[in-house]
Amino acid sequence: QSVLTQPPSVSAAPGQTVTISCSGSTSNIGNSYVSWYRQLPGTAPKLLIYDNNKRSSGIPDRFSASKSATSATLGITGLQTGDEADYYCGSWDSSLSAGVFGGGTKLTVL
Amino acid sequence: QVTLKESGPVLVKPTETLTLTCTVSGFSLSSARMGVSWIRQPPGKALEWLAHIFSNDEKSYSSSLKSRLSISKDTSKSRVVLTMTNMDPVDTGTYYCARTYFFDGVVRVFDYWGQGTLVTVSS
Repeated sequence: QSVLTQPPSVSAAPGQTVTISCSGSTSNIGNSYVSWYRQLPGTAPKLLIYDNNKRSSGIPDRFSASKSATSATLGITGLQTGDEADYYCGSWDSSLSAGVFGGGTKLTVL
Repeated sequence: QVTLKESGPVLVKPTETLTLTCTVSGFSLSSARMGVSWIRQPPGKALEWLAHIFSNDEKSYSSSLKSRLSISKDTSKSRVVLTMTNMDPVDTGTYYCARTYFFDGVVRVFDYWGQGTLVTVSS
């Protein structure tokens, strides 16, 4: 059971927009930074977003993110088939003194 | 160019101790606000943070695995070593090391990841 809660799956058609939510608590998202990672099948996770809403180098502006209180959201516009992957949110939990991740969301581009 | 590479056994027997090495390049393990974390992923499951070591030698462990884990670094060799004792089949998975940026003692992001190494625990 992951500390951060994400929907197991989301789907949308090419060209459409999708959002992925990440819910936590005051001990993690509420008092720390959120980052987002994309994991293509059979590969290592790759950083997409850090410090709640900053895109990592080379990440197109189709990807955006926000944080409000104890939740965060990743948005992807202009969906492409190449965006099909698992997406994870991550943060630091001050109560656990541990890094924490969401359970991952599988994005399907129909 | 920042790179991290994990190495270690592919197969370990139950009750054995796993030793994994993360060799880094493109940054120094003594760089301010930098560190290395170990993160694992059982097949088909989510990421699980295990431990980290910062440039100031501060260490932290997953509370559920703390009794079994040990992390250390050799700055001169650009290596971080994780040991996990008493391995069990449920520990099977891909183990990643990731460069970790921290500030005020708090992890902010895992910005570069190694390719991962699959460890299978079986007799």
